[in-house]
Amino acid sequence: NAGVTQTPKFRVLKTGQSMTLLCAQDMNHEYMYWYRQDPGMGLRLIHYSVGEGTTAKGEVPDGYNVSRLKKQNFLLGLESAAPSQTSVYFCASSFRDDQPQHFGDGTRLSIL
Amino acid sequence: GENVEQHPSTLSVQEGDSAVIKCTYSDSASNYFPWYKQELGKGPQLIIDIRSNVGEKKDQRIAVTLNKTAKHFSLHITETQPEDSAVYFCAASTGGFKTIFGAGTRLFVKA
Repeated sequence: NAGVTQTPKFRVLKTGQSMTLLCAQDMNHEYMYWYRQDPGMGLRLIHYSVGEGTTAKGEVPDGYNVSRLKKQNFLLGLESAAPSQTSVYFCASSFRDDQPQHFGDGTRLSIL
Repeated sequence: GENVEQHPSTLSVQEGDSAVIKCTYSDSASNYFPWYKQELGKGPQLIIDIRSNVGEKKDQRIAVTLNKTAKHFSLHITETQPEDSAVYFCAASTGGFKTIFGAGTRLFVKA
């Protein structure tokens, strides 16, 4: 039972490059989330999805886009990476928005 | 805006002692309060949660208390062990995808 799987685990980008972070869950959860974690700031919500084909903005959405074409997958895209986007990115999923969230192990992204 | 303050940011205890982490939330509509443990290189994992209609909940060595009037909730770990060393996050949720996380507490348990 894999839970929430994120790929890649590490990535280094140059400013202006683009990339997509992948998240897959096998728990049949409707709700999925993308967070970024920065030192001393906890977890901040970037975008979330309430089901296949739906997405919505969270607290810090600028510079990111997302897609949920399949229920089990939630993709986070950076169209033109900036050094301020250097962070650890976590994907999570849950049955409902007031239920525990299950997190992946994160993607550590550095932008030079 | 709404926020969750978490204290202390770092906590060091001797093995066998108790550890207490405190959080204060600002949104009075918050009704769900989970606690997560994050080990190095891993994602956060739920260790205990409490809802607003309950004042206290216990699971073996871990307990959480909630004071809705004061908007405080706390995590208590008794008989700490070295494997309890990790970063702990509190969170407050109103539902509707509005979960606010505290900044985290790094707990060191010295053997």
